[in-house]
Amino acid sequence: EDQVTQSPEALRLQEGESSSLNCSYTVSGLRGLFWYRQDPGKGPEFLFTLYSAGEEKEKERLKATLTKKESFLHITAPKPEDSATYLCAWTRGSQGNLIFGKGTKLSVKP
Amino acid sequence: ETGVTQTPRHLVMGMTNKKSLKCEQHLGHNAMYWYKQSAKKPLELMFVYNFKEQTENNSVPSRFSPECPNSSHLFLHLHTLQPEDSALYLCASSQDDSGSGTDTQYFGPGTRLTVL
Repeated sequence: EDQVTQSPEALRLQEGESSSLNCSYTVSGLRGLFWYRQDPGKGPEFLFTLYSAGEEKEKERLKATLTKKESFLHITAPKPEDSATYLCAWTRGSQGNLIFGKGTKLSVKP
Repeated sequence: ETGVTQTPRHLVMGMTNKKSLKCEQHLGHNAMYWYKQSAKKPLELMFVYNFKEQTENNSVPSRFSPECPNSSHLFLHLHTLQPEDSALYLCASSQDDSGSGTDTQYFGPGTRLTVL
């Protein structure tokens, strides 16, 4: 069965303490892997799209990477405003059908 | 207005009421989506419209009825809902010219629905 698993479910960091979030998948024919950030009570905000193994993308303190089995979202020297739930999603490209993981809730303390 | 907007932002309704959620996208996209987000569960795709045509219905109960009059507007008509339908309802849009389904989806802020 195709599935995507995000770990950990929750992560607490001190400001400046770098870490990584994991999104592992067992999907055949993956056509795209997406990372979103979601603040409480709001819609997901797009961060990155990765299409092939080996691809990397960066934005400010965030860096997303993709292998054949998993994707990582690396957070370097996080700040309290990075606190949010980070979602990964994948698609086979079928009618834009995105399958989401349950997310990792990140808390960054000053 | 920019991006994807949704109204209302909050809605409380009884089980016998009829209400509608509205979504508008200002991005020039041709595909629009409805998702449901319940507590402790992943986002679930409900409906997909591409060039105003419904292309996906993820086994959604008939008490949810979508309508897409044009590529910029999407509605979700609600009737005879159950308390378990209480959730955050999210609208998204994407530019899916090739029909590949791999284009990035951009989300609205959502409508928080409570069914009493």
